[in-house]
Amino acid sequence: GQNIDQPTEMTATEGAIVQINCTYQTSGFNGLFWYQQHAGEAPTFLSYNVLDGLEEKGRFSSFLSRSKGYSYLLLKELQMKDSASYLCAVPNQGGKLIFGQGTELSVKP
Amino acid sequence: DTEVTQTPKHLVMGMTNKKSLKCEQHMGHRAMYWYKQKAKKPPELMFVYSYEKLSINESVPSRFSPECPNSSLLNLHLHALQPEDSALYLCASSQALSGANVLTFGAGSRLTVL
Repeated sequence: GQNIDQPTEMTATEGAIVQINCTYQTSGFNGLFWYQQHAGEAPTFLSYNVLDGLEEKGRFSSFLSRSKGYSYLLLKELQMKDSASYLCAVPNQGGKLIFGQGTELSVKP
Repeated sequence: DTEVTQTPKHLVMGMTNKKSLKCEQHMGHRAMYWYKQKAKKPPELMFVYSYEKLSINESVPSRFSPECPNSSLLNLHLHALQPEDSALYLCASSQALSGANVLTFGAGSRLTVL
């Protein structure tokens, strides 16, 4: 089976850096996704990691360690519009995407 | 066109009504999905179609009936729903049904069952 853990809520200050962690257990690894979802809107794709290491994409970076079953999403130079839910997701071998519970990030002025 | 379009955006229905949710994509994606999402919860998979054939049914009650008329369209027919079925219903598509494919989600249809 699969299990994904991420913190329920985080708060950070505008302009700061925040790291959202995700740990997972899966039988057969097929990569890890991060999605962003603003309240009342659709989830949007942020990143996909299948190899170990850090992938940087502008203000957002995602890290993966397959041996530790661990990923994090790093958000730099936080803006108010970054307040959203961040979903860690891992596909199972049948192609079904399993989502974590999501981390609700609040960015304060 | 890189969007998934869902209609209607909002739907209110009684427990005896029959209604349908519609989803359309023109990205040439061959896998299409229905997810249900309750407030403050992650999306839960309901159905997956791959090449217009139903591939995954997550033991969804028969009052939800999916249909894939062609490779661009996905419907969800609703009948005799319960108030607890009120939720945001998200449609998504991907190039194929395999783990490495990015899902593109529609904006959702917010359903209220009275």
